[in-house]
Amino acid sequence: DQQVKQNSPSLSVQEGRISILNCDYTNSMFDYFLWYKKYPAEGPTFLISISSIKDKNEDGRFTVFLNKSAKHLSLHIVPSQPGDSAVYFCAASKGNNNDMRFGAGTRLTVKP
Amino acid sequence: DTEVTQTPKHLVMGMTNKKSLKCEQHMGHRAMYWYKQKAKKPPELMFVYSYEKLSINESVPSRFSPECPNSSLLNLHLHALQPEDSALYLCASSHPDRVLEKLFFGSGTQLSVL
Repeated sequence: DQQVKQNSPSLSVQEGRISILNCDYTNSMFDYFLWYKKYPAEGPTFLISISSIKDKNEDGRFTVFLNKSAKHLSLHIVPSQPGDSAVYFCAASKGNNNDMRFGAGTRLTVKP
Repeated sequence: DTEVTQTPKHLVMGMTNKKSLKCEQHMGHRAMYWYKQKAKKPPELMFVYSYEKLSINESVPSRFSPECPNSSLLNLHLHALQPEDSALYLCASSHPDRVLEKLFFGSGTQLSVL
C-alpha cells in the first residue's frame, strides 16, 4: 500500500523556467511533509519541508505548497538551474519521523 | 559533522554468504533507520532503532538481522539472501524526540545477490 505517490517519473524543463513537482498522499494522519533531493551515488538530502498547519513554505528558489483537502503537495523551483537536475522524493510522516514514507521519486532534468 | 557514513558502498554476495552492512553517525542522533530501495521504487522502511532499542520492524524476513551496538553505530547482518534482495540499502539518522525533524541519509550500499 503506497501511501505517498509521485505519478510523474520524470520531468524536463528549460533553464530559467519553473519546475513543478507533484505528490499525492492517502493517509490523512500525515502531518509533516518533506522533499528530498538525490544525486547519483549519493543518499537523499533534505531540501524543504512543511507542517500540516501551513499551506506554503518558501526557501530561496524552492517553495512547497500543501493542499490538505486534496491530500496534495507540490514543489516549485524558480528559476530552475542545470544543477537542480536530480531525483526528487516526496516524503510524509505522522507526529514524529519514526515512520516516514516516501514516494517513488521524480527525475528532474533542467536543460541549459 | 553532518554525515552518515555507510560501508561498503558496493557488495556482491552469494546466497550462502554472511555479510554485514555498517552505518555510523556522530551527530548525537539517537534514532537510526534502515531503508531498502529497489530501482524506480520508493525507499521502504525496514527497521528503526530509538535509543539503541528496536522500535519498528516492518515485517522484514529474518535473513536480515539489525544490530545497534551503541548510539553511533548501526549494522545490518545478512545471511542466506535471495536474488530479489538485491537493492540499495540506505541508513538514516535523526533526533527521536523532536517532531517535524528530517532524516539524514548515508550514500547507501548497493547490494547484489547472485
